[in-house]
Amino acid sequence: GENVEQHPSTLSVQEGDSAVIKCTYSDSASNYFPWYKQELGKRPQLIIDIRSNVGEKKDQRIAVTLNKTAKHFSLHITETQPEDSAVYFCAASWRGGYQKVTFGTGTKLQVIP
Amino acid sequence: NAGVMQNPRHLVRRRGQEARLRCSPMKGHSHVYWYRQLPEEGLKFMVYLQKENIIDESGMPKERFSAEFPKEGPSILRIQQVVRGDSAAYFCASSPPGQTANTGELFFGEGSRLTVL
Repeated sequence: GENVEQHPSTLSVQEGDSAVIKCTYSDSASNYFPWYKQELGKRPQLIIDIRSNVGEKKDQRIAVTLNKTAKHFSLHITETQPEDSAVYFCAASWRGGYQKVTFGTGTKLQVIP
Repeated sequence: NAGVMQNPRHLVRRRGQEARLRCSPMKGHSHVYWYRQLPEEGLKFMVYLQKENIIDESGMPKERFSAEFPKEGPSILRIQQVVRGDSAAYFCASSPPGQTANTGELFFGEGSRLTVL
């Protein structure tokens, strides 16, 4: 099955700096890569996703890049703000008749004001 | 649209008791997923169901755990004879029919936090 590794597990940045979270996946059949943000005690929510036919996608201060050859993808947050503090999960979705999503272990991001 | 509804939000059980967690998907969604999140850990896939069918239960422990999604009513995750290691947050997610691996978002509920004493 799919295996998703995520680094780092914790990340502290100063407000205004950039944050980068990296993930690798094992199954070359995966073709959908979402990122979820989970605030303390809350539900995970999708913040951005990318499909295998695209190398990069940007939405305001967040961007995701995908390298299918190397099987890795990254989340970039620029101009970080305290409200960006949360746990971020990358995920890979298996190409098949249904959506089986495998999550990474999460990155706890702390933005220091 | 009320979103994915899970209840109870918090459940305390003693070892050996049964826990039942319920999930009502978003209106119009027919796919339900259950994930388990241990403290300070990621989301582990447990089971994927459609109405009246278990499609993939590869993440479910072989014993004590079961799930169903009946024709009427919510999906239920049942844990029999709970042990302390079952303490976790259990999240339900749903997606609309026709969604494949290449299409889109899982919508999560707020989770049910099970504590086993």
